[in-house]
Amino acid sequence: GEDVEQSLFLSVREGDSSVINCTYTDSSSTYLYWYKQEPGAGLQLLTYIFSNMDMKQDQRLTVLLNKKDKHLSLRIADTQTGDSAIYFCAETTSGTYKYIFGTGTRLKVLA
Amino acid sequence: NAGVTQTPKFQVLKTGQSMTLQCAQDMNHEYMSWYRQDPGMGLRLIHYSVGAGITDQGEVPNGYNVSRSTTEDFPLRLLSAAPSQTSVYFCASLASGMNTEAFFGQGTRLTVV
Repeated sequence: GEDVEQSLFLSVREGDSSVINCTYTDSSSTYLYWYKQEPGAGLQLLTYIFSNMDMKQDQRLTVLLNKKDKHLSLRIADTQTGDSAIYFCAETTSGTYKYIFGTGTRLKVLA
Repeated sequence: NAGVTQTPKFQVLKTGQSMTLQCAQDMNHEYMSWYRQDPGMGLRLIHYSVGAGITDQGEVPNGYNVSRSTTEDFPLRLLSAAPSQTSVYFCASLASGMNTEAFFGQGTRLTVV
């Protein structure tokens, strides 16, 4: 079945870059997403990438997709304390509405 | 601009009690779903609905029932609460289409003692 894996924790210093990694197993994945969850809140969409793209940049965020290795990463440049949150990767397949979420990576930004 | 509204935010139940978690969306989305979030396990799909009158099971449906009598509402019922159902529950809705953002409620933190 489908599976999405992430490392559980990441700690970086303010101003450094953060890289959060994700691997998935479903080769039919069409869209891959990054969601952010702040404490006590629901998930909010950060960015997404279509499976025929290798890279997408959106201000401080860079998404890299290696479809051959089924590896997705999110790079946050100039990480700020406000970026401390849990980050989830997720995938869907065209024609379905079922999201498969990863386990989430808790990012802690040290001042 | 409400989006997805979940009630209650917090709930404590005794084992064996039943209750309904409410979810309402005002975006006219066809697709709604319920997830539970447990530490180290991400979000797991409980039940989902692709439109009024249509529901289906997700990954972890046991112990939960749903119904979708209107487009706006998608309640989740716990029939006989168990400590294993202690979790944070999220409702989400999505518009139809190729690439669709999921909009989440604020969550319900449920403790079963």
